[in-house]
Amino acid sequence: GAVVSQHPSRVICKSGTSVKIECRSLDFQATTMFWYRQFPKQSLMLMATSNEGSKATYEQGVEKDKFLINHASLTLSTLTVTSAHPEDSSFYICSASTYRGEGTGELFFGEGSRLTVL
Amino acid sequence: DAKTTQPTSMDCAEGRAANLPCNHSTISGNEYVYWYRQIHSQGPQYIIHGLKNNETNEMASLIITEDRKSSTLILPHATLRDTAVYYCIVSESNFGNEKLTFGTGTRLTIIP
Repeated sequence: GAVVSQHPSRVICKSGTSVKIECRSLDFQATTMFWYRQFPKQSLMLMATSNEGSKATYEQGVEKDKFLINHASLTLSTLTVTSAHPEDSSFYICSASTYRGEGTGELFFGEGSRLTVL
Repeated sequence: DAKTTQPTSMDCAEGRAANLPCNHSTISGNEYVYWYRQIHSQGPQYIIHGLKNNETNEMASLIITEDRKSSTLILPHATLRDTAVYYCIVSESNFGNEKLTFGTGTRLTIIP
């Protein structure tokens, strides 16, 4: 089945630094990818929708200048947390759609990336 | 997207059927019911989805009421590995290209 891979799975960084998380669709092309954030004991919260070749659409309350999303190819989207602070520590999860504009598609989630900011 | 209501937590004995209810009383005619689960510290895993008819796959069965205002996910023979948070989501898209709004889900614990 379709696989979505995230890297790194865990990252620890110092406050003020930037961290990049990659989301790759390994055996399909994804025109649309989604980025979620999950704090401990809470549900997934959608951060943004990433479309290949265009700017990401951010959910209300998510700072686009802090969470930079680049969907440069049909198999890769990246989320960069800029100037990270301890409150950005969270579980970041991406998902990718197999939909190609006709018929039906499926949505697959990555394994998640746990960010800890010291 | 319409909202869903699920019990916060449930227990089920290993080997028994786990029945997880979900209310979606404001669901519209073109919205699908999706079920995902999330095992601790992993990404969500797709289980099953349906529109009107009951559905069954290798993982579970989905029973949707005739008025579509509620549904039940059935895990026929629960194992310890089924311990997870189960999310019931309604979405217009059968294409997988629409964002999914996750509620709080049901934390299912399988008891040995």
